[in-house]
Amino acid sequence: DAGVIQSPRHEVTEMGQEVTLRCKPISGHNSLFWYRQTMMRGLELLIYFNNNVPIDDSGMPEDRFSAKMPNASFSTLKIQPSEPRDSAVYFCASSFGRRDEKLFFGSGTQLSVL
Amino acid sequence: KQEVTQIPAALSVPEGENLVLNCSFTDSAIYNLQWFRQDPGKGLTSLLLIQSSQREQTSGRLNASLDKSSGRSTLYIAASQPGDSATYLCAVKDSGYSTLTFGKGTMLLVSP
Repeated sequence: DAGVIQSPRHEVTEMGQEVTLRCKPISGHNSLFWYRQTMMRGLELLIYFNNNVPIDDSGMPEDRFSAKMPNASFSTLKIQPSEPRDSAVYFCASSFGRRDEKLFFGSGTQLSVL
Repeated sequence: KQEVTQIPAALSVPEGENLVLNCSFTDSAIYNLQWFRQDPGKGLTSLLLIQSSQREQTSGRLNASLDKSSGRSTLYIAASQPGDSATYLCAVKDSGYSTLTFGKGTMLLVSP
């Protein structure tokens, strides 16, 4: 298996632009997580899905952030409009089952908003 | 709300040294605790997972211990190697259906 695949690896955009991050979880996994990592705040959970349904989105910073999981093999995280404070590394992770503790992480998307 | 703290934030040691990384958490009623490794520019890789009923887990040169009552865990690395250089994060799960709360990590540098 190729593991969790994220795209793009790097994204540089200007303030106010829409940004879409993509994730393909490991085949067979039914839980998907979006995290954001910064030096100041560390790793923060934004949202997680189970069986394509959003279970907890309390970590989503504000309405500018939205996430979808239209099917078991694809998820997007969208920021519209983007702001400089959104600059961070965004990770997608997947696991099999809500109780299963082993998370598999993608390589992340480094987002820079100028 | 669960909080996870890792001290020190950074550690530099010569190759061959045994070392201990520390993790503390505020709410001792945890479901399990997990140690991850993160290489620069990469995602996290799970190293060891300790269930709340366990005291330690071992994998090769790595040994993780858990003391729930004191809210602490340690990751022991024996005979450190330059390839061990990475950031090590611990994360706790409060219940079977909760998500992980991560510490900010300890950045380890092992010099030849």
